[in-house]
Amino acid sequence: DIVMTQSPDSLAVSLGERATINCKSSQSVLYSSDNKNYLAWYQQKPGQPPKLLIYWASTRESGVPDRFSGSGSGTDFTLTISSLQAEDVAVYYCQQCYRGYTFGQGTKLEIK
Amino acid sequence: EVQLVESGGGFVQPGGSLRLSCVASGFTFSSYWMSWVRQAPGKGLEWVANIKQDGNEKYYVDSVKGRFTISRDNAKNSLYLQMNSLRVEDTAVYSCARGQVTGTNWFAPWGQGTPVTVSS
Repeated sequence: DIVMTQSPDSLAVSLGERATINCKSSQSVLYSSDNKNYLAWYQQKPGQPPKLLIYWASTRESGVPDRFSGSGSGTDFTLTISSLQAEDVAVYYCQQCYRGYTFGQGTKLEIK
Repeated sequence: EVQLVESGGGFVQPGGSLRLSCVASGFTFSSYWMSWVRQAPGKGLEWVANIKQDGNEKYYVDSVKGRFTISRDNAKNSLYLQMNSLRVEDTAVYSCARGQVTGTNWFAPWGQGTPVTVSS
């Protein structure tokens, strides 16, 4: 199984500041035949199901604010929120779909 | 609006069975791969199973193989998960989630989920 490890487990950021969440896979999720990274990011607010934010590591889902961005390739990925808003308080998960489907343990984002 | 609504969860003793249902609306259900994903209390997310549009391809996480069966009825826009030989570690909120037309890569959207508690 491909193990996804996120860091940090929790993060407190001031409103308007940048938030950065990291995700590392135990093996590369870059598929050589199409040069795509099989990596997605989700946001889960309390009492709600996860919501897709980013797929192919850096493609923003329709309707997702452009303050959310994804980057990285191979085994190391980053979700960045450029200017934290109050409504961004949530748990964020990365997920690989290169071989099966496995999720990171989640990163809890709070306001400082 | 795309919507997925699960039902059928509940309390069951170890070794028991439950059948979960998910009704889809707002999109052409028969065009998409569908999945079940679960989240144990206070824990992370675990993909459980997925099924192709015509039901002829089904895949499962190792921990449920031989015990769970995923199925669908495109005429009823419905997805199912038959869960047998339930274990305490199957306790979780089970959500159905839509994949893509070409396969399953990411999950969007998800239903609110139905809770399953396995306990003696």
